[in-house]
Amino acid sequence: DIQMTQSPSSLSASVGDRVTITCRASQSISSYLNWYQQKPGKAPKLLIYGASSLQSGVPSGFSGSGSGTDFTLTISSLQPEDFATYYCQQSYSTPRTFGQGTKVEIK
Amino acid sequence: QVQLQESGPGLVKPSGTLSLTCVVSGVSIYSSNWWSWVRQPPGKGLEWIGEISHSGDTNFNPSLKSRVTLSVDTSKNQFSLNLRSVTAADTAMYYCAKIRGDIAARPVDYWGQGTLVTVSS
Repeated sequence: DIQMTQSPSSLSASVGDRVTITCRASQSISSYLNWYQQKPGKAPKLLIYGASSLQSGVPSGFSGSGSGTDFTLTISSLQPEDFATYYCQQSYSTPRTFGQGTKVEIK
Repeated sequence: QVQLQESGPGLVKPSGTLSLTCVVSGVSIYSSNWWSWVRQPPGKGLEWIGEISHSGDTNFNPSLKSRVTLSVDTSKNQFSLNLRSVTAADTAMYYCAKIRGDIAARPVDYWGQGTLVTVSS
C-alpha cells in the first residue's frame, strides 16, 4: 500500500493568513493526488484533483502543486469558512489511501 | 443535480453483516466509470473501502477484502456494500461516492451525506 503522510497534523491560523499543508507519498504517484476539505458533520468536498487542477466552484484562493512524492495545498488568504480538516488522497493505485488529515483551527 | 443517498441499518450486531445501499439520482450509474465506498470511524480519518464499475468490476482495500462484497444494480441506479463478520472496529460513518471517471486522477466529485453504522449487541 502507498502511505500518505500529511504535515502538520493540525495548525492554528488567523483569517487572512497564508496556509500551506504538505502531503508526502511513500512512493512516486506522479500527479495522481487529490485534496478534500471536510467540515464537522459533513461529507468531504473535492478541492483539487490531479495535484493542481481546481475543482469547479472552489474558490481560487485554493491551489495545489507537486508531483512524484511531494505535494502541497495552499490557501492564499484564510477565510472563516476555510476552518476545516483537509485530506490528501492518492489515486495512483489501489487501495486509494488518504492522508491522516490536517485540522486547520482558528488562532 | 447529482445526489447520492445511503440507506441501511444504523445498528448491526457483532459477527453480523453490515448492508448499505447508495441510491444515485441526477446521473446515470453508467455515466461514471466507478463508484466507491469510504468510511470514517468517529473522530478519525477517512478509509477507502473499495470501488465498483457500472459493469461490476471491483477493487478492494486488502485490509477488508475478505469481508467485503460490492454490487451494482443498474436497473435501480444504485450500488451496495456488504461487510461481513463485523466487530466494534467497523463502527463508522459510511459514505458512498461517485468517482469522476473522465479524469485520470479519479477524484471523488460527489459524496453521499453519510450514514452512521454502530456495531453493538
